[in-house]
Amino acid sequence: QKEVEQDPGPLSVPEGAIVSLNCTYSNSAFQYFMWYRQYSRKGPELLMYTYSSGNKEDGRFTAQVDKSSKYISLFIRDSQPSDSATYLCAMSARRANSKLTFGKGITLSVRP
Amino acid sequence: EAQVTQNPRYLITVTGKKLTVTCSQNMNHEYMSWYRQDPGLGLRQIYYSMNVEVTDKGDVPEGYKVSRKEKRNFPLILESPSPNQTSLYFCASADYNEQFFGPGTRLTVL
Repeated sequence: QKEVEQDPGPLSVPEGAIVSLNCTYSNSAFQYFMWYRQYSRKGPELLMYTYSSGNKEDGRFTAQVDKSSKYISLFIRDSQPSDSATYLCAMSARRANSKLTFGKGITLSVRP
Repeated sequence: EAQVTQNPRYLITVTGKKLTVTCSQNMNHEYMSWYRQDPGLGLRQIYYSMNVEVTDKGDVPEGYKVSRKEKRNFPLILESPSPNQTSLYFCASADYNEQFFGPGTRLTVL
C-alpha cells in the first residue's frame, strides 16, 4: 500500500458544482496536511494547510482531516472555470520544511 | 517579489552530456528540495537540503547530484543523463508552513 493514495481522476464538473477531492494515507506519523493547486505549465502552489484533525475553511474551499480514518478531503463550493487545475494532497510528519509525501494528483475541469 | 527561480525552463539534451539545472530562492529559507514529476507517478523527491553544506537523499536520488554552497542556491546536477531522466523538475524552498515551488524545468534526454 502506498503511503498516500489519491483518486486518479480526471474529474469534470459543471460550473457551480460542489467538488470533493479525497486522499487516504497509511502513515500514522503524518500530522500536517496540505492541498496544493497546480495550473498547467506552473509549479504547485499551496492552497490549504491543516494541522492534525479538523476542518479549515477559506472562502469557497474547505479542508477536512480525519486522522482516525486516515482520510483527508478538499471541498470546493460554487466551482468556477478558474478552478480548473491539478490538485495534489501532501502530508508530512513535521512542518513544511521537511519531507512532504504527495498524492499523484487529480486533474479537475470545470465546464462553463 | 518572493520567488524560486529555475534555469533553464526547457532543455533538450543527449544521453551522457552533463548538465546542471540551477535553482535560487530569495526568501532566506534554510530548507530546499528537488522533485521530479512524471505522469502517473506524481511528485517524487530527489534530494533535499536542511541548510548550507547539508544535503540528503530523497526517494529517487539515483543519477543525480546536488550541492548547497550558499543558502540561496541549490543546483541539480546530472553527470550522465539517460532517457529515463526525461521529466519535469521542480525546485522548492520552505519555511515552517509552506513549500514554495519554482516554475519547473522540462528536461528531455534523447
